[in-house]
Amino acid sequence: DTAVSQTPKYLVTQMGNDKSIKCEQNLGHDTMYWYKQDSKKFLKIMFSYNNKELIINETVPNRFSPKSPDKAHLNLHINSLELGDSAVYFCASSAYNEQFFGPGTRLTVL
Amino acid sequence: GNSVTQMEGPVTLSEEAFLTINCTYTATGYPSLFWYVQYPGEGLQLLLKATKADDKGSNKGFEATYRKETTSFHLEKGSVQVSDSAVYFCALSDQGGSEKLVFGKGTKLTVNP
Repeated sequence: DTAVSQTPKYLVTQMGNDKSIKCEQNLGHDTMYWYKQDSKKFLKIMFSYNNKELIINETVPNRFSPKSPDKAHLNLHINSLELGDSAVYFCASSAYNEQFFGPGTRLTVL
Repeated sequence: GNSVTQMEGPVTLSEEAFLTINCTYTATGYPSLFWYVQYPGEGLQLLLKATKADDKGSNKGFEATYRKETTSFHLEKGSVQVSDSAVYFCALSDQGGSEKLVFGKGTKLTVNP
């Protein structure tokens, strides 16, 4: 029944590692997003994909690379992790001007 | 660019108190406006929305009215409960076709019994 799901829920890793976060939606939406929530709870969009094509890239470092194998999935790969990447990452999908969010992935870089 | 300013918290209230969380926006065109709620340890849930001027969104006793003349979308509830304790985010949707959301900084609400 989960509309937007993300894995893993928690991710703890060392600086310099490469990691991926997966997102899947079963709502049939064409548009998906990645948002970053920092330690002060501030939310900012990172990427948006529409039907597997990138439509928004909000000046995110190129260490972050989204990949959309099909319109139900939008994965986020992060290379050479840095301390400042520690945050909660939310995936979302949308239709008719309403967005549905996943439960978030808490990434901690040590 | 588009932006949202909401009152900074934290806000602490007693149960059954009246709640107002102020939100103002800057946008070109006619954005849609939203309030999202984030309960502890969870993702964001849409609380209510309004898509045009003078629309009132309402849900679970919360209300907000889209005021174009004051560029505001203040959230109100007449009688809060302990279960309303959460972080509340005001947001607007870019009408340029991408539907991306621009969020305010969030307001943490704690309701004490």
